[in-house]
Amino acid sequence: GENVEQHPSTLSVQEGDSAVIKCTYSDSASNYFPWYKQELGKGPQLIIDIRSNVGEKKDQRIAVTLNKTAKHFSLHITETQPEDSAVYFCAASTSYGQNFVFGPGTRLSVLP
Amino acid sequence: DTAVSQTPKYLVTQMGNDKSIKCEQNLGHDTMYWYKQDSKKFLKIMFSYNNKELIINETVPNRFSPKSPDKAHLNLHINSLELGDSAVYFCASSQGGGPGGWMGEQYFGPGTRLTVT
Repeated sequence: GENVEQHPSTLSVQEGDSAVIKCTYSDSASNYFPWYKQELGKGPQLIIDIRSNVGEKKDQRIAVTLNKTAKHFSLHITETQPEDSAVYFCAASTSYGQNFVFGPGTRLSVLP
Repeated sequence: DTAVSQTPKYLVTQMGNDKSIKCEQNLGHDTMYWYKQDSKKFLKIMFSYNNKELIINETVPNRFSPKSPDKAHLNLHINSLELGDSAVYFCASSQGGGPGGWMGEQYFGPGTRLTVT
């Protein structure tokens, strides 16, 4: 089955700096890689996703890159703000949801 | 206008009891899921249903039984609760996710914090 690793487990950055979270996956059949943000006391919320036919995707301050050969993908947040503080999860699955596996999460703290 | 709702939000009960958590989505999605999030925040899928049919059934004790009366509802019944069942349980839904169909974004409910004493 799929195995997703995520690093770092905790990350503290100064407001305005960039944050990078990295994930690796094991199943070469995986072709869908979403990122979720979970704020305290809430359910995870999708912030960006990428499919294996694309190497990079950007949405305002958030970008995701995918290296399918190396089986790793990364989340980049630029110009971080205190409201970016949350737990971020990467995930991997096939496009129809088989073997949907979350990474263990990264707790991001943006210090004012 | 809640998209995915769960009840109750908090559930405190004793070992050995039977309890249920209810989930409803008003997004018209075809697939619903149950996830368990442990104390270390690790999220693991338990079940998924597509149009009332069981699609994913991970290695979960058979004390856990999902029931989908219609595609807008997916309830979770837990028999003979154990201390290790204490966790936050999340319901989610997606437009697709059935065999051969594109899954799309999953929308999560607010979670039910289950505490077994």
